[in-house]
Amino acid sequence: RKEVEQDPGPFNVPEGATVAFNCTYSNSASQSFFWYRQDCRKEPKLLMSVYSSGNEDGRFTAQLNRASQYISLLIRDSKLSDSATYLCVVNGLSGGYQKVTFGIGTKLQVIP
Amino acid sequence: NAGVTQTPKFRVLKTGQSMTLLCAQDMNHEYMYWYRQDPGMGLRLIHYSVGEGTTAKGEVPDGYNVSRLKKQNFLLGLESAAPSQTSVYFCASSYSSELAGWYNEQFFGPGTRLTVL
Repeated sequence: RKEVEQDPGPFNVPEGATVAFNCTYSNSASQSFFWYRQDCRKEPKLLMSVYSSGNEDGRFTAQLNRASQYISLLIRDSKLSDSATYLCVVNGLSGGYQKVTFGIGTKLQVIP
Repeated sequence: NAGVTQTPKFRVLKTGQSMTLLCAQDMNHEYMYWYRQDPGMGLRLIHYSVGEGTTAKGEVPDGYNVSRLKKQNFLLGLESAAPSQTSVYFCASSYSSELAGWYNEQFFGPGTRLTVL
């Protein structure tokens, strides 16, 4: 089983739609969680951190379920500019140092 | 601030050739990382460094070497390139865990696209 699993998609949604991505992780001792965004042929950039209480940033909402070991990202009122790959990232301890594990990413295509 | 920069942006090598990829950051970050990204595989950690003069192996270190002689620079070397090393290479940096705790954002460079023929 992969340490961090994501559905690679693609998710094709019309403008204005709401779309949700899930990500599961295998290490129950993982400490922190993130969503990164990666545009085509560009570097990944932090979209938002995911806190236990859930957090919202504009049209984006991230949730963490430690019991079931998954995190989610909800995008409301999708824009064409939201088209990108969304990487789930999990941070835990390995060998005395922080180990950051990236999922393979979920591709989102917002259609006019 | 330039953030994280990588040189070169593109490179084509023949099997058996060697090369060095340079990563530089101007954010005074302690930690630096080298990843490779392949279709369907996601980002995989090659080597990382938690400070000047220190390096450690990541998930896929074979065929690569690294050096961190200066805090701001992290070099990735391929001694004898193989077609399996065709990939996009990303460098990243972050504050130390002591400073940033568990919510430690990684800042990525623009990537180097390497093809080994």
